[in-house]
Amino acid sequence: EVQLVESGGGLIQPGGSLRLSCEVSGFTVGRFSMSWVRQAPGRGLEWVSIIHGGGSTDYAASVRGRFIISRDTSKKTLYLQMNSLRVEDSAVYFCARDLTPAGIGLDSWGLGTLVSVSS
Amino acid sequence: DIQLTQSPSFLSASVGDRVTITCRASQDISTYLAWYQQKPGKAPKLLIFGASTLQSGIPSRFSGSGSGTEFTLTISSLQPEDLATYYCQQVNGYPFPFGPGTKVDLK
Repeated sequence: EVQLVESGGGLIQPGGSLRLSCEVSGFTVGRFSMSWVRQAPGRGLEWVSIIHGGGSTDYAASVRGRFIISRDTSKKTLYLQMNSLRVEDSAVYFCARDLTPAGIGLDSWGLGTLVSVSS
Repeated sequence: DIQLTQSPSFLSASVGDRVTITCRASQDISTYLAWYQQKPGKAPKLLIFGASTLQSGIPSRFSGSGSGTEFTLTISSLQPEDLATYYCQQVNGYPFPFGPGTKVDLK
C-alpha cells in the first residue's frame, strides 16, 4: 500500500527557515517524480516544486531561489527546505507522487503538514 | 504560463442530479488534464487523467471529456459523498497549474 506522511510543519517567524519531510512507503521514492503542493487556508491548490526520478528539479516562480527540494532514497524520504519564509508561504503543504511527466497527475498524496509564518 | 479557469465556482445540487463542471485552458493542452476531488480537511484525490480516463477505484458515475482548451467533469448522479471541491490541473508542462476549484454542495 502506498503511503506518504509529511512532518516538520509549525509556526515560524518571517525570514525564518523550516524543513519539511515526507516519508513514503509502498514504492521507491527514487523511481518516481515527487512534488510538493500547498494550500493556503481557504484557498486553492498551488504546485510548489518537483524532483524527477532522475534528480532534476523545478520550482514555482513564487518559491524559486528560496525553497529546495531533495530526497534521500535510503531513508525513503522527500524533503522541502524552505528559507526566507514569508507570511504568504503559510499553507498546508502536501507531498505527492507525481506522474505529471507521464501526463497523468498526482496519484498519491499525504495528509499534509501546516506551516504558519507569522510574527 | 497556461492559466486554467473553472465554472461555476460554486454549485448547489440535489442527490441524484447530473452535475457538470467546466475547465478552460488559456492555450491548447491537448488532453493533458487531470481532475481531483478534495473533501474538507483531506488531501486531494485523483479522479481522472488524460481528460477522460478514470483513475482506478473511482466510481463510474464520474466521467471526463474534452480536449484542447475546454474540458468537463460530469457526475451522472450526485451522491452525498460527492460533496467536495473539484479541481482541474494541466499536466503538460511546468508550472502545472490547478484551476481555482468548484465547490459542490447539497441543495
